[in-house]
Amino acid sequence: DAGVIQSPRHEVTEMGQEVTLRCKPISGHNSLFWYRQTMMRGLELLIYFNNNVPIDDSGMPEDRFSAKMPNASFSTLKIQPSEPRDSAVYFCASSPRIGETGELFFGEGSRLTVL
Amino acid sequence: QQQVKQSPQSLIVQKGGISIINCAYENTAFDYFPWYQQFPGKGPALLIAIRPDVSEKKEGRFTISFNKSAKQFSLHIMDSQPGDSATYFCAASMGAQKLVFGQGTRLTINP
Repeated sequence: DAGVIQSPRHEVTEMGQEVTLRCKPISGHNSLFWYRQTMMRGLELLIYFNNNVPIDDSGMPEDRFSAKMPNASFSTLKIQPSEPRDSAVYFCASSPRIGETGELFFGEGSRLTVL
Repeated sequence: QQQVKQSPQSLIVQKGGISIINCAYENTAFDYFPWYQQFPGKGPALLIAIRPDVSEKKEGRFTISFNKSAKQFSLHIMDSQPGDSATYFCAASMGAQKLVFGQGTRLTINP
Protein backbone atom coordinates (compact mmCIF):
# COMPACT_ATOMS: atom_id res chain seq x y z
CA ASP A 1 0.00 0.00 0.00
CA ALA A 2 1.22 3.50 -0.74
CA GLY A 3 2.13 5.62 2.23
CA VAL A 4 1.54 9.32 2.65
CA ILE A 5 2.60 11.09 -0.52
CA GLN A 6 3.93 14.63 -0.45
CA SER A 7 4.93 16.96 -3.26
CA PRO A 8 7.13 18.62 -4.11
CA ARG A 9 10.00 16.93 -2.28
CA HIS A 10 12.14 20.01 -2.67
CA GLU A 11 11.15 23.60 -3.34
CA VAL A 12 13.43 26.59 -3.69
CA THR A 13 11.74 29.93 -4.05
CA GLU A 14 12.37 33.60 -3.53
CA MET A 15 11.04 35.70 -0.72
CA GLY A 16 7.56 36.98 -1.47
CA GLN A 17 6.55 34.10 -3.71
CA GLU A 18 3.59 31.84 -3.03
CA VAL A 19 4.37 28.26 -2.05
CA THR A 20 1.91 25.37 -2.16
CA LEU A 21 2.73 22.03 -0.60
CA ARG A 22 0.56 19.02 -1.33
CA CYS A 23 -0.32 15.87 0.54
CA LYS A 24 -2.19 12.67 -0.23
CA PRO A 25 -2.95 10.74 2.96
CA ILE A 26 -3.21 6.99 3.24
CA SER A 27 -6.54 5.80 1.88
CA GLY A 28 -9.06 5.25 4.67
CA HIS A 29 -7.29 7.46 7.17
CA ASN A 30 -9.58 10.00 8.77
CA SER A 31 -7.09 12.41 10.32
CA LEU A 32 -4.43 14.51 8.62
CA PHE A 33 -1.68 16.55 10.22
CA TRP A 34 0.80 19.14 8.98
CA TYR A 35 4.09 19.42 10.88
CA ARG A 36 7.10 21.67 10.37
CA GLN A 37 10.63 20.57 11.29
CA THR A 38 13.55 22.92 11.88
CA MET A 39 16.81 22.52 13.76
CA MET A 40 15.88 25.26 16.18
CA ARG A 41 12.27 24.33 16.95
CA GLY A 42 12.14 20.63 16.17
CA LEU A 43 8.81 19.15 15.05
CA GLU A 44 5.91 21.55 15.43
CA LEU A 45 2.26 20.74 14.75
CA LEU A 46 0.78 23.39 12.48
CA ILE A 47 -2.77 22.15 11.92
CA TYR A 48 -4.80 18.97 11.86
CA PHE A 49 -8.03 17.82 10.22
CA ASN A 50 -10.58 15.17 11.14
CA ASN A 51 -12.83 14.02 8.31
CA ASN A 52 -11.58 16.94 6.19
CA VAL A 53 -12.58 19.52 8.84
CA PRO A 54 -9.85 21.67 10.48
CA ILE A 55 -9.87 20.92 14.19
CA ASP A 56 -6.94 22.89 15.56
CA ASP A 57 -4.90 25.46 13.69
CA SER A 58 -3.33 27.07 16.74
CA GLY A 59 0.12 26.06 15.52
CA MET A 60 -0.13 27.99 12.27
CA PRO A 61 2.50 30.68 12.71
CA GLU A 62 0.65 33.58 11.11
CA ASP A 63 -1.88 34.61 8.51
CA ARG A 64 0.58 33.95 5.72
CA PHE A 65 -0.06 30.24 6.29
CA SER A 66 -3.25 28.51 5.25
CA ALA A 67 -4.27 24.88 4.87
CA LYS A 68 -7.17 23.19 3.15
CA MET A 69 -8.51 19.69 2.80
CA PRO A 70 -11.13 19.72 0.05
CA ASN A 71 -11.60 15.94 0.15
CA ALA A 72 -10.41 12.86 1.98
CA SER A 73 -7.51 12.24 -0.37
CA PHE A 74 -5.91 15.66 -0.72
CA SER A 75 -4.63 18.53 1.40
CA THR A 76 -2.59 21.65 0.72
CA LEU A 77 -0.49 23.94 2.86
CA LYS A 78 0.00 27.36 1.35
CA ILE A 79 2.43 30.11 2.32
CA GLN A 80 1.81 33.53 0.83
CA PRO A 81 4.01 35.51 0.82
CA SER A 82 6.93 33.29 1.76
CA GLU A 83 9.82 34.53 3.92
CA PRO A 84 13.33 33.11 4.55
CA ARG A 85 12.32 32.09 8.09
CA ASP A 86 9.76 29.71 6.56
CA SER A 87 12.62 27.52 5.33
CA ALA A 88 12.05 24.10 6.87
CA VAL A 89 10.95 20.57 6.13
CA TYR A 90 7.17 20.31 6.10
CA PHE A 91 5.68 16.93 6.91
CA CYS A 92 2.21 15.65 6.32
CA ALA A 93 0.99 12.72 8.41
CA SER A 94 -2.22 10.75 8.56
CA SER A 95 -3.88 8.52 11.11
CA PRO A 96 -6.75 6.06 10.90
CA ARG A 97 -8.17 7.22 14.22
CA ILE A 98 -10.29 10.14 15.31
CA GLY A 99 -10.61 11.39 18.85
CA GLU A 100 -7.83 9.29 20.30
CA THR A 101 -4.10 9.19 19.96
CA GLY A 102 -2.44 6.56 17.92
CA GLU A 103 0.23 6.01 15.31
CA LEU A 104 0.91 8.81 12.88
CA PHE A 105 2.11 7.82 9.41
CA PHE A 106 4.43 10.48 8.05
CA GLY A 107 5.28 11.30 4.46
CA GLU A 108 8.85 11.91 3.40
CA GLY A 109 8.47 15.66 3.71
CA SER A 110 8.79 18.72 1.51
CA ARG A 111 12.02 20.64 2.00
CA LEU A 112 11.36 24.33 1.47
CA THR A 113 14.12 26.88 0.98
CA VAL A 114 13.13 30.53 0.74
CA LEU A 115 15.93 32.77 -0.50
CA GLN B 1 3.43 22.67 30.40
CA GLN B 2 3.10 21.47 26.83
CA GLN B 3 6.80 20.81 26.47
CA VAL B 4 8.62 17.54 26.40
CA LYS B 5 12.31 17.86 27.22
CA GLN B 6 14.64 15.32 25.65
CA SER B 7 18.27 14.50 26.35
CA PRO B 8 20.94 14.08 25.21
CA GLN B 9 20.95 15.97 21.93
CA SER B 10 23.45 13.54 20.49
CA LEU B 11 24.76 10.17 21.55
CA ILE B 12 27.52 7.90 20.33
CA VAL B 13 27.45 4.24 21.34
CA GLN B 14 29.62 1.32 20.37
CA LYS B 15 28.06 -1.57 18.51
CA GLY B 16 26.56 -4.00 20.98
CA GLY B 17 26.18 -1.39 23.68
CA ILE B 18 23.05 0.04 25.29
CA SER B 19 21.67 3.35 24.04
CA ILE B 20 19.60 5.34 26.51
CA ILE B 21 17.58 8.45 25.70
CA ASN B 22 15.58 10.31 28.32
CA CYS B 23 12.51 12.52 28.24
CA ALA B 24 10.70 14.55 30.88
CA TYR B 25 7.31 16.22 30.85
CA GLU B 26 5.28 18.51 33.10
CA ASN B 27 1.68 18.00 32.05
CA THR B 28 0.21 15.17 34.10
CA ALA B 29 -2.73 14.99 31.69
CA PHE B 30 -0.53 13.38 29.04
CA ASP B 31 -1.70 9.81 28.50
CA TYR B 32 0.25 8.53 25.52
CA PHE B 33 4.02 8.46 25.10
CA PRO B 34 5.43 7.29 21.77
CA TRP B 35 8.95 7.19 20.41
CA TYR B 36 9.57 7.93 16.76
CA GLN B 37 12.63 7.05 14.69
CA GLN B 38 13.74 9.20 11.76
CA PHE B 39 16.35 8.38 9.15
CA PRO B 40 17.90 11.14 6.99
CA GLY B 41 15.57 12.26 4.23
CA LYS B 42 12.63 10.34 5.65
CA GLY B 43 9.69 11.14 7.84
CA PRO B 44 9.51 9.96 11.44
CA ALA B 45 8.12 6.47 11.98
CA LEU B 46 6.59 5.05 15.14
CA LEU B 47 9.01 2.80 17.00
CA ILE B 48 7.25 1.97 20.25
CA ALA B 49 4.67 3.60 22.54
CA ILE B 50 3.46 3.33 26.11
CA ARG B 51 0.50 4.50 28.20
CA PRO B 52 0.96 5.53 31.85
CA ASP B 53 -0.79 2.49 33.30
CA VAL B 54 2.36 0.40 32.78
CA SER B 55 5.93 1.03 33.84
CA GLU B 56 7.71 -0.75 31.03
CA LYS B 57 7.10 -1.97 27.51
CA LYS B 58 9.48 -4.06 25.48
CA GLU B 59 9.50 -4.79 21.77
CA GLY B 60 12.52 -6.71 20.61
CA ARG B 61 15.66 -4.72 21.46
CA PHE B 62 13.65 -1.58 22.27
CA THR B 63 12.25 -0.87 25.74
CA ILE B 64 10.37 2.11 27.14
CA SER B 65 10.71 2.68 30.87
CA PHE B 66 8.07 4.96 32.37
CA ASN B 67 8.23 6.68 35.76
CA LYS B 68 4.90 8.37 36.39
CA SER B 69 5.84 9.94 39.72
CA ALA B 70 8.98 11.50 38.27
CA LYS B 71 7.21 12.40 35.02
CA GLN B 72 9.99 10.83 33.03
CA PHE B 73 10.29 8.14 30.41
CA SER B 74 13.20 6.71 28.54
CA LEU B 75 14.08 4.60 25.54
CA HIS B 76 16.61 1.81 25.89
CA ILE B 77 18.10 0.15 22.83
CA MET B 78 19.84 -3.07 23.72
CA ASP B 79 22.63 -4.56 21.60
CA SER B 80 22.75 -1.38 19.53
CA GLN B 81 23.53 -1.88 15.85
CA PRO B 82 24.84 0.50 13.15
CA GLY B 83 21.41 0.29 11.50
CA ASP B 84 19.95 1.93 14.62
CA SER B 85 21.83 5.14 13.78
CA ALA B 86 19.04 7.70 13.37
CA THR B 87 17.35 10.58 15.13
CA TYR B 88 14.94 9.58 17.88
CA PHE B 89 12.05 11.69 19.10
CA CYS B 90 10.00 11.20 22.21
CA ALA B 91 6.51 12.63 22.23
CA ALA B 92 3.44 12.98 24.41
CA SER B 93 -0.23 13.71 23.98
CA MET B 94 -3.44 13.83 25.99
CA GLY B 95 -6.06 12.10 23.97
CA ALA B 96 -6.71 14.87 21.49
CA GLN B 97 -4.30 13.69 18.83
CA LYS B 98 -1.94 16.60 19.34
CA LEU B 99 1.50 15.06 19.69
CA VAL B 100 4.12 17.27 21.32
CA PHE B 101 7.60 16.18 20.29
CA GLY B 102 10.90 16.43 22.10
CA GLN B 103 13.84 18.09 20.38
CA GLY B 104 15.32 14.83 19.15
CA THR B 105 18.47 12.82 19.81
CA ARG B 106 20.90 12.02 17.04
CA LEU B 107 22.17 8.50 17.76
CA THR B 108 25.32 7.15 16.14
CA ILE B 109 26.33 3.53 16.58
CA ASN B 110 29.99 2.95 15.86
CA PRO B 111 30.83 -0.42 14.28
